[in-house]
This record gives sequence, structure tokens and C-alpha cells, in this order.
Amino acid sequence: DTEVTQTPKHLVMGMTNKKSLKCEQHMGHRAMYWYKQKAKKPPELMFVYSYEKLSINESVPSRFSPECPNSSLLNLHLHALQPEDSALYLCASSPRTGRADTQYFGPGTRLTVL
Amino acid sequence: AQKITQTQPGMFVQEKEAVTLDCTYDTSDQSYGLFWYKQPSSGEMIFLIYQGSYDEQNATEGRYSLNFQKARKSANLVISASQLGDSAMYFCAMREGNTGGFKTIFGAGTRLFVKA
Repeated sequence: DTEVTQTPKHLVMGMTNKKSLKCEQHMGHRAMYWYKQKAKKPPELMFVYSYEKLSINESVPSRFSPECPNSSLLNLHLHALQPEDSALYLCASSPRTGRADTQYFGPGTRLTVL
Repeated sequence: AQKITQTQPGMFVQEKEAVTLDCTYDTSDQSYGLFWYKQPSSGEMIFLIYQGSYDEQNATEGRYSLNFQKARKSANLVISASQLGDSAMYFCAMREGNTGGFKTIFGAGTRLFVKA
């Protein structure tokens, strides 16, 4: 089973709201990722967690706050977002963060910020 | 300079024919991994095929094969016997880094249209 689940599928929020995106995998993977993808563009890496510790933060604004409560779960907390943050947010996992470690992606959350 | 270059923004192929999607990459690392992903309009990124920099044989997965030419730094995806369901965006990606961790870099993508 190579399934990564994400909730919600769609999210509409105002600039003053606080919301969270959730991601879950049960493949025993020890690396999890958040990507942001704008329309007609490739995914852009935001965060990498390795063994539940944040290993890469691609200079993402602090209004995005990741959290990895355990090896199966990854959250992305959103606060005071801007309309330009509207995008598809993809979660992925891989066995580890090695060269040959294939990333498996979830279906994504389509976020609209009004 | 771009690390991953996909020069074909859009491609058309007739159903049941083969198609090649181009990908060139740029790295000074000796150890790296090359991947192809498919992204239908639904949004999910689907892993298709992997090639390691030390692999001498071209990777194959069902109807997908990767034409790996290391000296030319190219990793083209070949889809045989195209199906209507193959219509999607295709991304070439490279994982590079070191034992401290590898990052995935994606190309701009090629949109494939399969005609009936």
C-alpha cells in the first residue's frame, strides 16, 4: 500500500483565519514533506521532516507552521495567510531522505485564501 | 542555471503509439537519483519510474522506460502504447545531496495529450 492521505481536499479561508492541513501515511516511512504547487508550475519544497525532526525549511514564511506529532502524521498550521498563498499543498513521504528514496504523494489540499 | 530542463511544454501523441518526453539535468554530484512523476488534472503526483546514477541498465516499469544517457545528462521517459488515460502533466525530478539529506528538484513539466 503506497497511500498518503490528506485532509481536507479543499479549504477556503480568510486572511485572519487559523486552519490546519493534515497528512497521514502508514507505510512506515520516516521522512515526510510539504510542497506548495501553483497552477502550471512544478511543486516547490517547503519543509522536510526526518525521523520526526525538521531537517529542511526552505525559508518559508512563519505564517506556515509545520508539526510532526509522530512518524505517521504531518500537519501544516496556517495563520494570517495572504491571497498569494492560494495553491495546491502536497504532502509526501519516503522511507528515508536518501538518494534512491522514492517520494509518494498524497492527493493534495486545494487552498483558497480570500 | 536550471537543474532540470524539460524543453517540451506540450506534446501530442496518437493513442497506441509511443512517445518520448525529454529531460536533461545538471549536477556535479556523482550520486543522484532521477524520477518521473505523472500528475493528472486531479492533482495527485504519481510515481512512475526511478533511475540511480550508478545504474548501468535503463529502468523499466511496465509501459514506462527511462532512456538514461549519463554522459549527456539526459533521462528521457518513453511511454509505449499510449492510452487516453496517459493524458497528464509529467515531471522529471532529481534527488541530489549528501548523507545529510537529499532534496528533490522538479523540472517545469511536459503536458501530454493523447488523441483517440
